[in-house]
Amino acid sequence: QKEVEQNSGPLSVPEGAIASLNCTYSDRGSQSFFWYRQYSGKSPELIMFIYSNGDKEDGRFTAQLNKASQYVSLLIRDSQPSDSATYLCAVGAGGYQKVTFGTGTKLQVIP
Amino acid sequence: NAGVTQTPKFQVLKTGQSMTLQCAQDMNHNSMYWYRQDPGMGLRLIYYSASEGTTDKGEVPNGYNVSRLNKREFSLRLESAAPSQTSVYFCASSPGQRSGYTFGSGTRLTVV
Repeated sequence: QKEVEQNSGPLSVPEGAIASLNCTYSDRGSQSFFWYRQYSGKSPELIMFIYSNGDKEDGRFTAQLNKASQYVSLLIRDSQPSDSATYLCAVGAGGYQKVTFGTGTKLQVIP
Repeated sequence: NAGVTQTPKFQVLKTGQSMTLQCAQDMNHNSMYWYRQDPGMGLRLIYYSASEGTTDKGEVPNGYNVSRLNKREFSLRLESAAPSQTSVYFCASSPGQRSGYTFGSGTRLTVV
């Protein structure tokens, strides 16, 4: 069983819509949660992190964490074609080698 | 403000050859990491260095060695390359263990 699970997609949304990306994790001791954006052929770029249950907003991005359900999500409001990328969920369970990455969800924003 | 710099960007090796991937960061981060990324398998940790002077194995260390030369530089060495090491390699750094990572631009390595 994968420790961090993401739907590989592609998730297609029209321009201006809300994109919802989901991630589940298996380690109940997880403490830190990250979302990275990776354009094709490029390196991952950190866009959001969250440590506590609830929502965290940064511009058009909102990260949501529910530790009881072991679920973290990323909402992108007013999606733009430039948001088309693969989004990686990463979960940290404490310790330097305890960050596990999901395989990513490919998002396509259709103009 | 370069961030994390990796060299080379592309490399083709023959089976059995050796090479060193270089990584340097200018953000005064304590921790540095080497990952490989393969299709369908996500990012997997090869080695990490929590702080200058320390290195530890990650999930997939076999066939690799590392050196934390100083606080800025963390190199990855393949002593005898194998086709299974064909991958994209990313170096990353972070201020600490609960912080997100800044990644370098990657090295695309092909072993034939």
